[in-house]
Amino acid sequence: DTGVSQDPRHKITKRGQNVTFRCDPISEHNRLYWYRQTLGQGPEFLTYFQNEAQLEKSRLLSDRFSAERPKGSFSTLEIQRTEQGDSAMYLCASSSGLGQETQYFGPGTRLLVL
Amino acid sequence: AQSVSQHNHHVILSEAASLELGCNYSYGGTVNLFWYVQYPGQHLQLLLKYFSGDPLVKGIKGFEAEFIKSKFSFNLRKPSVQWSDTAEYFCAVKSGGYNKLIFGAGTRLAVHP
Repeated sequence: DTGVSQDPRHKITKRGQNVTFRCDPISEHNRLYWYRQTLGQGPEFLTYFQNEAQLEKSRLLSDRFSAERPKGSFSTLEIQRTEQGDSAMYLCASSSGLGQETQYFGPGTRLLVL
Repeated sequence: AQSVSQHNHHVILSEAASLELGCNYSYGGTVNLFWYVQYPGQHLQLLLKYFSGDPLVKGIKGFEAEFIKSKFSFNLRKPSVQWSDTAEYFCAVKSGGYNKLIFGAGTRLAVHP
């Protein structure tokens, strides 16, 4: 059972640059979630896909953020014109969408914007 | 807005002490409740969950939690902690037909041998 994987694990960028993160969910999981976690806080929901459809977006997800899941498998999260306030851990989770479903989390991508 | 409160941000215990971590949520309807744990250097892992039925749920590694609907609470307990329980613990709620999880701020537990 391969879990949720995320790439890269760490990213350092300069303010104003664009960054893209990738998430590979557990195979056959049709739901995929993105969360953001800052120091001393729990994860905060950003957006959610069921297959390739993006069904919910948080108000935290500004216009500079875009997420895709083009074939209903892996997903990408892009941040354009990064700001220092974007520095955080970006977490991906997936779930089966069946019964008493559980969200399984990946290791996260830690972003530092200088 | 829905919210989750974890009352203790830092807890320090000696091995064999009993543990209780508080969690309260604000939503009044049907809820699904979760405790996740994050060991140092590792990703979030599910400890236990409650969907329906017996309000006392048992999870991995000897943890249990009790859902008290009248108190909007889902406290985590363990009768005797071990050094290996040192981790950060997050309570989370799913409610209102939404699929997203709403997390508390977490409780950082340090267990001293």
